[in-house]
Amino acid sequence: AQSVAQPEDQVNVAEGNPLTVKCTYSVSGNPYLFWYVQYPNRGLQFLLKYITGDNLVKGSYGFEAEFNKSQTSFHLKKPSALVSDSALYFCAVRGYDQTGANNLFFGTGTRLTVIP
Amino acid sequence: GAVVSQHPSWVICKSGTSVKIECRSLDFQATTMFWYRQFPKQSLMLMATSNEGSKATYEQGVEKDKFLINHASLTLSTLTVTSAHPEDSSFYICSARAAGLEQYFGPGTRLTVT
Repeated sequence: AQSVAQPEDQVNVAEGNPLTVKCTYSVSGNPYLFWYVQYPNRGLQFLLKYITGDNLVKGSYGFEAEFNKSQTSFHLKKPSALVSDSALYFCAVRGYDQTGANNLFFGTGTRLTVIP
Repeated sequence: GAVVSQHPSWVICKSGTSVKIECRSLDFQATTMFWYRQFPKQSLMLMATSNEGSKATYEQGVEKDKFLINHASLTLSTLTVTSAHPEDSSFYICSARAAGLEQYFGPGTRLTVT
């Protein structure tokens, strides 16, 4: 079975400071990992993904994520936070559900608030 | 990037009526479409997966007779909430995927049942 854990419901960071949103995963086989961002009353926007290759993945809006196989983590990072980064962030892993279909499994989300 | 649209973006309906939500992939053909439900401050719950031209596969606990899903073409899927009740009020998000691509999400539909 596959699962994703986002241990922090809320992350607060001052504008200009680096930010990290944590994600750990559990999956059999090679992990396909994703980060999405959701703004209020909006759908999810794709930020970045890890399939294979370099452990440091660069994505949209200056975000990056580091894949760590030994720690089964895929933390989202940004060197300098902006107020406009305030949103809900979801980590996801691709895997097979109970019906055998290949789907995305989402974490519970982390609300990021960047304080001016 | 690929664009997925949903219509309507919000809808208010009376208890007992049915509501249809459309999901369209605008610039790609979606072999698979997904419907999610999101409660306030919670993650997305996958309701069902549909492949074009075949019946939807529903997740455990989702009533297929209440949430009717039709994937009539490679660019359109519809979710009909039948005999809606206030507890069906939620944010419904569709997602579309072409073979080999990641999933792209629609902007969501806010359903309020009074």
